Amino acid sequence: AQRVTQPEKLLSVFKGAPVELKCNYSYSGSPELFWYVQYSRQRLQLLLRHISRESIKGFTADLNKGETSFHLKKPFAQEEDSAMYYCALSGGAAGNKLTFGGGTRVLVKP
Amino acid sequence: KAGVTQTPRYLIKTRGQQVTLSCSPISGHRSVSWYQQTPGQGLQFLFEYFSETQRNKGNFPGRFSGRQFSNSRSEMNVSTLELGDSALYLCASSLAGTTGELFFGEGSRLTVL
Repeated sequence: AQRVTQPEKLLSVFKGAPVELKCNYSYSGSPELFWYVQYSRQRLQLLLRHISRESIKGFTADLNKGETSFHLKKPFAQEEDSAMYYCALSGGAAGNKLTFGGGTRVLVKP
Repeated sequence: KAGVTQTPRYLIKTRGQQVTLSCSPISGHRSVSWYQQTPGQGLQFLFEYFSETQRNKGNFPGRFSGRQFSNSRSEMNVSTLELGDSALYLCASSLAGTTGELFFGEGSRLTVL
């Protein structure tokens, strides 16, 4: 069975401080990992995926297969980063069956 | 391009009734997935349809069903509603050949009384 765990329900940081959202997964094969974000009054949207290895809005995430983690990081948080963040995993089956973590709410204070 | 459209946005039903939710994907997207979101269980995968065929299925009882039409529009149905079915039902579409890159609708909020 595949599982995604986001241990922090809430992260509160000051503007300009680094922020790291933790994501751990359980999956026996080679997973594809994603981070989705939902800003206030907006739809859930894809932020980044591990295979693209790119930085989006200053965020990066590295897949660590040894630690089965896919933490999301940003060196300098901005107020507009305040949102709900979800880590998600796709494994095995073709198509778009995603397993989501419980989500982490990020609050960036001025 | 218009985004994923879900109707109705809000609805209230009573236990034992059934409900049908509709989803229109982004033009050109052939995959449509459905998710249930609740405060207790979070986002849970219901099923995915691709080219009118169910491609993946989550761990929900048979009361939950869906279908996809030739124009890629999808519907999901929940029969014999229970209080625990109260949730936000999200639809997402994606292009063929992509995995995990989902475009979500705003959801249909179902309240079962």
